[in-house]
Amino acid sequence: AQSVTQPDIHITVSEGASLELRCNYSYGATPYLFWYVQSPGQGLQLLLKYFSGDTLVQGIKGFEAEFKRSQSSFNLRKPSVHWSDAAEYFCVMDSNYQLIWGAGTKLIIKP
Amino acid sequence: DSGVTQTPKHLITATGQRVTLRCSPRSGDLSVYWYQQSLDQGLQFLIQYYNGEERAKGNILERFSAQQFPDLHSELNLSSLELGDSALYFCASSVGQVLDEQYFGPGTRLTVT
Repeated sequence: AQSVTQPDIHITVSEGASLELRCNYSYGATPYLFWYVQSPGQGLQLLLKYFSGDTLVQGIKGFEAEFKRSQSSFNLRKPSVHWSDAAEYFCVMDSNYQLIWGAGTKLIIKP
Repeated sequence: DSGVTQTPKHLITATGQRVTLRCSPRSGDLSVYWYQQSLDQGLQFLIQYYNGEERAKGNILERFSAQQFPDLHSELNLSSLELGDSALYFCASSVGQVLDEQYFGPGTRLTVT
């Protein structure tokens, strides 16, 4: 079955530290993948997307994600987090023109 | 501000009742999507309309229905409400189809008592 798994429900990171949020997918072909962020009071917003080509994708707010077919993963990274990055992050996959959403990872920033 | 508006912001109603949630997409966007977000189910795709026609259906209950009008605004109708329908309902819009960036509204929080 097609699915998206975000193994970490919560992640706590110190401000200024690096971040990696994990995402694994199950799909028969190369999927279209997205990361969305849900910030308090700001709704849901697209961070980046991968359709094809370069497997390292740059997004907004200094985020990047790397598509690894061999690991069925699309992990989100940021070299140095800011307190404003505290939010919930969703990995999303297109499956026959419907989006399948992961359960989300809540990012907590320690001062 | 995404440009997508949703009304009302909050809605409190009783079990068995019917409610209508409204969404106005960004100017120029032809697709409207409805999502339900609850603590136990996460974010669930309900339904998509494109230029007035239903294009994709997700985990939408038979008690729920939606439509997109000629002016492209959309309404989600929830009937025979149950306690479990309490959730945040989001509307999103995009220029074209699902692979385009979706812009989300602020949501309508529905509480069923």
